[in-house]
Amino acid sequence: GAVVSQHPSRVICKSGTSVKIECRSLDFQATTMFWYRQFPKKSLMLMATSNEGSKATYEQGVEKDKFLINHASLTLSTLTVTSAHPEDSSFYICSAPPRPSGEQYFGPGTRLTVT
Amino acid sequence: DAKTTQPPSMDCAEGRAANLPCNHSTISGNEYVYWYRQIHSQGPQYIIHGLKNNETNEMASLIITEDRKSSTLILPHATLRDTAVYYCIVPSGGGADGLTFGKGTHLIIQP
Repeated sequence: GAVVSQHPSRVICKSGTSVKIECRSLDFQATTMFWYRQFPKKSLMLMATSNEGSKATYEQGVEKDKFLINHASLTLSTLTVTSAHPEDSSFYICSAPPRPSGEQYFGPGTRLTVT
Repeated sequence: DAKTTQPPSMDCAEGRAANLPCNHSTISGNEYVYWYRQIHSQGPQYIIHGLKNNETNEMASLIITEDRKSSTLILPHATLRDTAVYYCIVPSGGGADGLTFGKGTHLIIQP
C-alpha cells in the first residue's frame, strides 16, 4: 500500500513555544491531506483538511490561528501548533488518499508533549 | 457519515478466525463500507472496503449483507499482532474525505 510518513515521531516542548509537524506522502501525490488528533483512550478526531495550493478548512471548534496548516507541495503538509499549552499535548496523525475516491493511508503519528 | 455500531470489545483465540460485526442501517445506496484498524500508539491502517459484493484481500475478508445494513470483517487466522482497535466507517463524502471515527471494537487475540 501507499506510504505516509510523519516527522518528528515524538516532540517535547515548553509551554508558549511553537512546534511544526511534517506529513509526507512518499510514493504518491496528494492534493488533499487530513490532520487528526487523538487524546488518550479516545478515537481520532478530524481537525482539518489540508489543500494543496489553497487554504486549509478546519472542523468546528478547531482554532485556525492556533493550528497553522501549510500544504506546500503535492507531497508535503505541515501542521504548526502555535503557542502550545499543556492541553495541546496529544497524538497528532495525518492521512492522505492516493486516489480521489478510495482508501486513505495514515502516518505513524506524532506524540506531542507540552510541559 | 452514516452511523455505525460496533461491539466495544471482543476476544479471539490465536489461530482462529476473528469475526467483527458492524451495523450501518442508515447506509445509502452509493456509500462504501471501510475498515481500518489501529494498533496501540500507531497510526490507523487501512484494511479493506466494499460496496455490496463480498471482498477479500491479503489481510481480511469483508462480508456485506444483501440489504447492506450490516457487515462482518473476517480475519481468517488471527495472530497476536492482530490485537488492535478496529473501526468500521461509512463516509458520506467518499473514502477520500475526512473520516469520522467511532469508538470501534477492541479486538484482543488470546494466546
